[in-house]
Amino acid sequence: AQSVTQLGSHVSVSEGALVLLRCNYSSSVPPYLFWYVQYPNQGLQLLLKYTSAATLVKGINGFEAEFKKSETSFHLTKPSAHMSDAAEYFCAVSEDQGAQKLVFGQGTRLTINP
Amino acid sequence: GAVVSQHPSRVICKSGTSVKIECRSLDFQATTMFWYRQFPKQSLMLMATSNEGSKATYEQGVEKDKFLINHASLTLSTLTVTSAHPEDSSFYICSAKEGGNTGELFFGEGSRLTVL
Repeated sequence: AQSVTQLGSHVSVSEGALVLLRCNYSSSVPPYLFWYVQYPNQGLQLLLKYTSAATLVKGINGFEAEFKKSETSFHLTKPSAHMSDAAEYFCAVSEDQGAQKLVFGQGTRLTINP
Repeated sequence: GAVVSQHPSRVICKSGTSVKIECRSLDFQATTMFWYRQFPKQSLMLMATSNEGSKATYEQGVEKDKFLINHASLTLSTLTVTSAHPEDSSFYICSAKEGGNTGELFFGEGSRLTVL
């Protein structure tokens, strides 16, 4: 069985500050990990994914995430927050690269303060 | 990029009625679509996997007679909530897989159902 825990349902940072969204997973098989972003009134959009290649994964919009097996974590970071980053972020885990069955975390709402 | 559209985005219905939600892949063919349900401040829960031309595969605990899924074409899957009750009120999200098993997954905007 797989599960995902996102620490913090709401994160608020100042514009230009570091963004850190935490995600820990549990999986009995080697996991494939994903981060999705959901802007208001829009569908989920893939930010990045870990598929057992490089442990540091770079995604769109300047985001990146590092897979740490020892910590069972896949935290999402961005060096400098922009107002347009305000959205809901979901971490997800799957047993397959094609994300046939995604198990999602609870989501983290990111607010950017001017 | 590929677009998946859901309709309606919001629907309010009376208890006991049935509601149909459509999920369309607008610029690609999707042999597999997925339906999720999201409760307030909770994660998305996979309800069922819809394969074109065959019966949907439901996750444990999801009533197949309650949530009817039809995937009649490569660009359309529908979810019908039958005899809806207030506890069925939720946010329903679909996703569609482009190409084969390793194809990218695209999500719809979601449909908010409120049952009075």
